[in-house]
Amino acid sequence: GENVEQHPSTLSVQEGDSAVIKCTYSDSASNYFPWYKQELGKRPQLIIDIRSNVGEKKDQRIAVTLNKTAKHFSLHITETQPEDSAVYFCAASINNFNKFYFGSGTKLNVKP
Amino acid sequence: EAQVTQNPRYLITVTGKKLTVTCSQNMNHEYMSWYRQDPGLGLRQIYYSMNVEVTDKGDVPEGYKVSRKEKRNFPLILESPSPNQTSLYFCASKRSSGANVLTFGAGSRLTVL
Repeated sequence: GENVEQHPSTLSVQEGDSAVIKCTYSDSASNYFPWYKQELGKRPQLIIDIRSNVGEKKDQRIAVTLNKTAKHFSLHITETQPEDSAVYFCAASINNFNKFYFGSGTKLNVKP
Repeated sequence: EAQVTQNPRYLITVTGKKLTVTCSQNMNHEYMSWYRQDPGLGLRQIYYSMNVEVTDKGDVPEGYKVSRKEKRNFPLILESPSPNQTSLYFCASKRSSGANVLTFGAGSRLTVL
């Protein structure tokens, strides 16, 4: 099956700096890559996603890039704010978006 | 309010005592799924259902059962819980077509002694 690896496991940045989280996947059949944010004690919520026919997608301070050849995708957060502090999960989906494989998570700490 | 509701939110039980975690959604979503979250392992899919009476295994189905008799409900059944099933469980739902956004429930923290 699919294997999604996520790095780093923890990331600490100063407010206003950029943060980058990277994921790799193993199954070239994966065609949908969402990112979820989980605040402490809360449920995961989608922040951005990208399909395999697109190389980059932006939504305000958040962007995701996808390199299908290398089988990796990244989350970029610019101008980080304390409210960005959370655990971020990448995921890859195959089988018509029915099976989801999540990375192990990155705990982002934005220091004021 | 559109939501996914799980119950119980917290449960401590003993090895071998059958339990059911309920999940209900009010968004008329065709797709529902269960995940477990463990430290350092992220979220792992247990089972999913594409519609009523259609279920399939995810990545870690061993020790779990599900049923989908109604569109809104997707209970997770642990017939004989073991300590390695101590975990935080999330139910999620989404539409089968169009956007693939998973809407998660609030989570159910299960401890098996």
